[in-house]
Amino acid sequence: EAQVTQNPRYLITVTGKKLTVTCSQNMNHEYMSWYRQDPGLGLRQIYYSMNVEVTDKGDVPEGYKVSRKEKRNFPLILESPSPNQTSLYFCASSSRTGVSYEQYFGPGTRLTVT
Amino acid sequence: AQTVTQSQPEMSVQEAETVTLSCTYDTSESDYYLFWYKQPPSRQMILVIRQEAYKQQNATENRFSVNFQKAAKSFSLKISDSQLGDAAMYFCAYRSPYTGANSKLTFGKGITLSVRP
Repeated sequence: EAQVTQNPRYLITVTGKKLTVTCSQNMNHEYMSWYRQDPGLGLRQIYYSMNVEVTDKGDVPEGYKVSRKEKRNFPLILESPSPNQTSLYFCASSSRTGVSYEQYFGPGTRLTVT
Repeated sequence: AQTVTQSQPEMSVQEAETVTLSCTYDTSESDYYLFWYKQPPSRQMILVIRQEAYKQQNATENRFSVNFQKAAKSFSLKISDSQLGDAAMYFCAYRSPYTGANSKLTFGKGITLSVRP
C-alpha cells in the first residue's frame, strides 16, 4: 500500500529537549515536505526536499532542521523545542512526474512542548 | 507570493442538502493547480478534488464539484446531498506548476463544516 508514515503520532516534551519526528514514504517520490498546522493559520511549509541531499527552507523554517540522506526518509529535527512549536505536523511527498504532482500526506504528529 | 483566502471559518448544512464553500486566491501566474482537501477528526489530509487552471471545465468527483472562475480568482466547492461523514475541516490550496521549483501547497485557513442530521 502506497503511504507516508510518521512517528511518533503524539509527543509531549519539555522545552529544550531535542527531538526527531520521522517521515518515510514507499512511493519512490523525489519531493518531500514538512508542514505545520495551527488553528486559524492553515498549513504552512517548514522545509522541503527536491531529492536526496537537496533541501531548502519553506515559509516557517526557524527552529527546525531536516536532512535527506535516503530518498524514502525525511526526518524533522527540533534541536531545542520551544512552546511556540506546539503544533500538528504533516509530512508530504509527491512525484515530480505526473500532471498535478499530487501530494500524499502522512497521518500527522501532534507535538506539545511544555 | 500566492495567497489563498477562506473567509468563512464555519458553515453548517442540513443532511441531504447542498452547501458551497468559498475560496479566493491571488496569483500573478497564468497556470497553476487548485485543490480542496478534507480533514476529518482523524486529522488525515484527504484530497477531495483538483482543478488545473488551463482547463475551462469545472472538475467533478461524485457529489463534489467546483466552480472555478479564473478571472475572478475564485474556486468554490459544492457538496451535494450532504452526508454526516462530510463533517470536517476543508482546506483550499494552491500550487504553482513549475517543475523545478518548490512544489509546496499554499493553504487557506480552512473552514469547519458541520452537518445537521
